[in-house]
Amino acid sequence: AQSVTQLDSQVPVFEEAPVELRCNYSSSVSVYLFWYVQYPNQGLQLLLKYLSGSTLVKSINGFEAEFNKSQTSFHLRKPSVHISDTAEYFCAVSDQGTGGFKTIFGAGTRLFVKA
Amino acid sequence: DAGVTQSPTHLIKTRGQQVTLRCSPISGHKSVSWYQQVLGQGPQFIFQYYEKEERGRGNFPDRFSARQFPNYSSELNVNALLLGDSALYLCASSRDGSGANVLTFGAGSRLTVL
Repeated sequence: AQSVTQLDSQVPVFEEAPVELRCNYSSSVSVYLFWYVQYPNQGLQLLLKYLSGSTLVKSINGFEAEFNKSQTSFHLRKPSVHISDTAEYFCAVSDQGTGGFKTIFGAGTRLFVKA
Repeated sequence: DAGVTQSPTHLIKTRGQQVTLRCSPISGHKSVSWYQQVLGQGPQFIFQYYEKEERGRGNFPDRFSARQFPNYSSELNVNALLLGDSALYLCASSRDGSGANVLTFGAGSRLTVL
């Protein structure tokens, strides 16, 4: 069975500083990887995804994540954060279990950007 | 187009009661997944339905059940409620049952069990 570990529950960072949110997964089969974001008082929404091909994927608001198969990681990075990036970030993995797919989420990392 | 809609948005029940939560997927989406999100934790997978069939089940007791209707809407039922069932219940729809599809989430139904 697959699982997702987000190593940091909270990450405080100053505005314009770089940030990395760590995610490791375990699965016995090929996986698809996602980062979802939940802004304050909003629902979960997709930030970026890795399905195949280039291991580096990017979002429209400057985040990027790199799929590392050997280390079973999918860390999320941004070179310079903004106050508006304050949110909870969830790493998720899906593979094909018996009879269908299911997407499993990590516990989340709360990113708090300070002025 | 309307997004994923869930009802009710909030509800309060007492221990031992039963609850039914409803979800309407995005038009054209044929798969619905249900998640439980306890405060401070990530969403926990409960069920996935595709074309009216259960395609995945998480580690939840048999008190939890669901179904999907011909119009692809879905209901989640929880019987014999416990205090620990208090949570935000999220419904997500996707185009089909593939794990490569992005999940589009509704705003959730917040259940409080007293």
